[in-house]
Amino acid sequence: GAVVSQHPSWVICKSGTSVKIECRSLDFQATTMFWYRQFPKQSLMLMATSNEGSKATYEQGVEKDKFLINHASLTLSTLTVTSAHPEDSSFYICSARDLAGPVFGDTQYFGPGTRLTVL
Amino acid sequence: GENVEQHPSTLSVQEGDSAVIKCTYSDSASNYFPWYKQELGKGPQLIIDIRSNVGEKKDQRIAVTLNKTAKHFSLHITETQPEDSAVYFCAASIGQLTFGSGTQLTVLP
Repeated sequence: GAVVSQHPSWVICKSGTSVKIECRSLDFQATTMFWYRQFPKQSLMLMATSNEGSKATYEQGVEKDKFLINHASLTLSTLTVTSAHPEDSSFYICSARDLAGPVFGDTQYFGPGTRLTVL
Repeated sequence: GENVEQHPSTLSVQEGDSAVIKCTYSDSASNYFPWYKQELGKGPQLIIDIRSNVGEKKDQRIAVTLNKTAKHFSLHITETQPEDSAVYFCAASIGQLTFGSGTQLTVLP
């Protein structure tokens, strides 16, 4: 149980184009999903918190107009990188919090990640 | 906000030996402490977690200890195997996770 999928697993795009990444919780419902960014040999950096049916909350320094997040259902959140540039190349990882998980605590399950390369 | 420090950044052990990774956190309100294993090119995988009302938790070869007074927690892996080689991240949570900087564990055959 507790499987999170991401699609695509990798994508290469030209500078100036937009890329959409999907994150799905396959066997549980998640009112909250999180989007992280990870550069090589570094830790995960939280970009935004996505709540089903409401606007995402972005971390300081993350451009909300560049990284559009939509959480349309309890099992799907999408991240769209708009007008991508080479500096947006990174490993993007989503996670989902199990709605039925313990109230005390914050169990998050991570997707396999999406490698974005912008040429 | 919360700050999590993790040591060591790299750790090499012989197969069969034990490995210990330590983390400290700054916010005493943190109440959940998971550990993740990340293999190259993959997402983090939850391997064990502990909540602030528990001092120790064990799952086969993996154990985690928590000292709330000192605000530190540790991951212990016994009888290490080459497939344990990966990057390990600790995290502390008060609703959202703050990650440590990671430890590259290499188990030498």
